[in-house]
Amino acid sequence: NAGVTQTPKFQVLKTGQSMTLQCAQDMNHEYMSWYRQDPGMGLRLIHYSVGAGITDQGEVPNGYNVSRSTTEDFPLRLLSAAPSQTSVYFCASSPSVTGGTEAFFGQGTRLTVV
Amino acid sequence: TQLLEQSPQFLSIQEGENLTVYCNSSSVFSSLQWYRQEPGEGPVLLVTVVTGGEVKKLKRLTFQFGDARKDSSLHITAAQPGDTGLYLCAGEGASNDYKLSFGAGTTVTVRA
Repeated sequence: NAGVTQTPKFQVLKTGQSMTLQCAQDMNHEYMSWYRQDPGMGLRLIHYSVGAGITDQGEVPNGYNVSRSTTEDFPLRLLSAAPSQTSVYFCASSPSVTGGTEAFFGQGTRLTVV
Repeated sequence: TQLLEQSPQFLSIQEGENLTVYCNSSSVFSSLQWYRQEPGEGPVLLVTVVTGGEVKKLKRLTFQFGDARKDSSLHITAAQPGDTGLYLCAGEGASNDYKLSFGAGTTVTVRA
């Protein structure tokens, strides 16, 4: 059981480039989310989805797009990379949208924008 | 955004000592979760507390949820080097909107 798989693990982009961070889960979880983690700031929610075809913005959505065409996949797109988007990105999934459920995290993607 | 403040930010102790990490907010949470994160990995859930005043034990780790569901603490007894890591608290808002707000984390180092 792979859990939550993120690719790539490392990426360097030039300012203005676009790219997609991939996230896939094999646990049939309804809820998926993307976070960025910066030193001293914890994890901040970028976008989330409560099921296929449904997405919504989190705390820091600007510069990012998401889609959820299947239950398994939840890619995060950077439209025009900026140095401020240098961060570690985590994808997570949870079994349901009700409270008190565990969030399963991927191993993260370390992104550097130069 | 519901702010969760963790203290201390860094903690370095000798093996065998006890430690406590605090997670405080002015907001009420329907549930609060504690995660541990190791370098290069994603956070892994340790425990979820739901009821005000609830105490949960996980081997040498004791978690408490405040009576008003605004704060929580994590106490480690007789810490071991394997307890080293970043400890994160995360709260789900009282409206059960399933979005987690994370604290900035406490980096714990246990020296052998």
